[in-house]
Amino acid sequence: SQQGEEDPQALSIQEGENATMNCSYKTSINNLQWYRQNSGRGLVHLILIRSNEREKHSGRLRVTLDTSKKSSSLLITASRAADTASYFCATRRNNNAGNMLTFGGGTRLMVKP
Amino acid sequence: DGGITQSPKYLFRKEGQNVTLSCEQNLNHDAMYWYRQDPGQGLRLIYYSQIVNDFQKGDIAEGYSVSREKKESFPLTVTSAQKNPTAFYLCASSSPGSPSGANVLTFGAGSRLTVL
Repeated sequence: SQQGEEDPQALSIQEGENATMNCSYKTSINNLQWYRQNSGRGLVHLILIRSNEREKHSGRLRVTLDTSKKSSSLLITASRAADTASYFCATRRNNNAGNMLTFGGGTRLMVKP
Repeated sequence: DGGITQSPKYLFRKEGQNVTLSCEQNLNHDAMYWYRQDPGQGLRLIYYSQIVNDFQKGDIAEGYSVSREKKESFPLTVTSAQKNPTAFYLCASSSPGSPSGANVLTFGAGSRLTVL
């Protein structure tokens, strides 16, 4: 079963605009991560936020986490055409002895030049 | 450069045939994973291995088998018992998490399997 679900499923914006993607999850988590996937390629880790953190920044990326609402958001500021990709959230459950990550269905972002 | 190498990148299989996808890493990671991705979908865990000579089923293990004889290698066999094997297969690895449990995955470039 999918632990995380991204919203929206697809997003199209103009270059220079900000892109916001949301992720909801069902059970308590240890941490939440965001990954990026270019078409037909593997995933690349972007940023990790722990369950005791509320906000984290990395370059043009800003991630927030609201454990009371079981949700996270990824904001990409001043988007570029090169940001066109699919973005996935992944969660590691607190009681997961296998240390596995569970991925959501992803948001497909298109940034038009 | 350290990384994960998956091969082949593209593979075609006739129905009823078993195929093996290769995954090799030189990151000295203990844990390795296989995920399946269908078009426009997220990733689903097939098998994972936290240590050599040990592996566990993931959410969709039926019709797949793995081995972990070496730390660097985690091959996945798609057997004829897998009824819908056409998909994009991703291998990943990670090092043991910190006490707080961080587990960041490094992925290979993927293998696309098509059943004819």
